[in-house]
Amino acid sequence: EIVLTQSPGTLSLSPGERATLSCRASQSVTSSYLAWYQQKPGQAPRLLIYGASSRATDIPDRFSGGGSGTDFTLTISRLEPEDFAVYYCQQYGSSPPMYTFGQGTKLEIK
Amino acid sequence: QVQLQESGPGLVKPSETLSLTCAVSGHSISSGYYWGWIRQPPGKGLEWIGHIHHSGSTYNNPSLKSRVTISVDTSKNQFSLKVSSVTAADTAVYYCARRGLVGIYYFDYWGQGTLVTVSS
Repeated sequence: EIVLTQSPGTLSLSPGERATLSCRASQSVTSSYLAWYQQKPGQAPRLLIYGASSRATDIPDRFSGGGSGTDFTLTISRLEPEDFAVYYCQQYGSSPPMYTFGQGTKLEIK
Repeated sequence: QVQLQESGPGLVKPSETLSLTCAVSGHSISSGYYWGWIRQPPGKGLEWIGHIHHSGSTYNNPSLKSRVTISVDTSKNQFSLKVSSVTAADTAVYYCARRGLVGIYYFDYWGQGTLVTVSS
């Protein structure tokens, strides 16, 4: 089973700053199987990025994803007040077939 | 617009069976997508439970072993989750979600979630 480790656990930044979130896998992950989600308190997760770097529908272009193999990143170029939330990476692995999530990175206002 | 809505008891006794249903609107459940369940214990991260195709093919998280049953009712455009022999560790917000077509392994539409507490 592939384990995803996200860092940092908490990231404190100000609006307008750039945020870089990391997701490291215990084994190589197929890029097309890597996704990122945003979750605000009391809400369901929202798909941001799929295939490691493709933005989901209606996601602003300040969100971008990158990486390959075992190291993936989510970058928010200029933070808006509504971007402060918890972010999760997720992967699909075929041996055994299952989906795993990282433990999350909380992006908080500094 | 695809919408998913979970429903079911909010309180289940230990050792009993948790049962939830997810009603899908704005999209046919027989369209070829997969339909899944994901849970989140209070204050913790996300855990995939399993998913089902309208054909009846299911895939479950091995860690939950045989406690999980997912079924689909195409006539009602809904799918269901049962978790047997529940303990306090099964207390969580349960989400239903749509997974992509064959070869697409992310969840693009989610229900709002429903909190299930396991307590006597």
